[in-house]
Amino acid sequence: DAGVTQSPTHLIKTRGQQVTLRCSPKSGHDTVSWYQQALGQGPQFIFQYYEEEERQRGNFPDRFSGHQFPNYSSELNVNALLLGDSALYLCASSLEATQRPDTQYFGPGTRLTVL
Amino acid sequence: AQSVTQLDSQVPVFEEAPVELRCNYSSSVSVYLFWYVQYPNQGLQLLLKYLSGSTLVKGINGFEAEFNKSQTSFHLRKPSVHISDTAEYFCAVSRYNFNKFYFGSGTKLNVKP
Repeated sequence: DAGVTQSPTHLIKTRGQQVTLRCSPKSGHDTVSWYQQALGQGPQFIFQYYEEEERQRGNFPDRFSGHQFPNYSSELNVNALLLGDSALYLCASSLEATQRPDTQYFGPGTRLTVL
Repeated sequence: AQSVTQLDSQVPVFEEAPVELRCNYSSSVSVYLFWYVQYPNQGLQLLLKYLSGSTLVKGINGFEAEFNKSQTSFHLRKPSVHISDTAEYFCAVSRYNFNKFYFGSGTKLNVKP
């Protein structure tokens, strides 16, 4: 059973560019959350998707947007990249029906470097 | 709102010594509590969790943690650490029925031979 997968593993972009990160949830999971982990900090919640809609959002600007597809996979898009967007981006999946956070599984992350 | 404070950013310890990593949280509602471990260049792995019941919870790799509601703490302990325990440890809280984590800033455990 594949766990949560993310692609790409690493990414280098320049300021002002746009980036798309991808996440495939664990088999059977239908909810995807995205977190940003800046260097030396704990992960910060960006947003969560369920039934192809964003239903929770953390304190992140509109430059951060997402999408969930019918197969439950998800994308995180960041526009007009800033140096401060350099971070490890983590995806976590869970099953809505359980409504229990301990069922969340994290992917290995995508390391984004903005130059 | 919930917040998590990990009081030590780095903890150096010798192999086979005991260790305690401290975590305090603030919340106006009941929460679930978690400890995650992150090895270099990897994602987060769940060590243990407190949902309800016994306040002493045991996790993987010999770690345990005790929930103290009056002190709003959830400290992580291991009686004898190994070199392989060198990693960063994150404390996190989540509200019941709310699949969103609030993480602390992390504690880097450095086990020396």
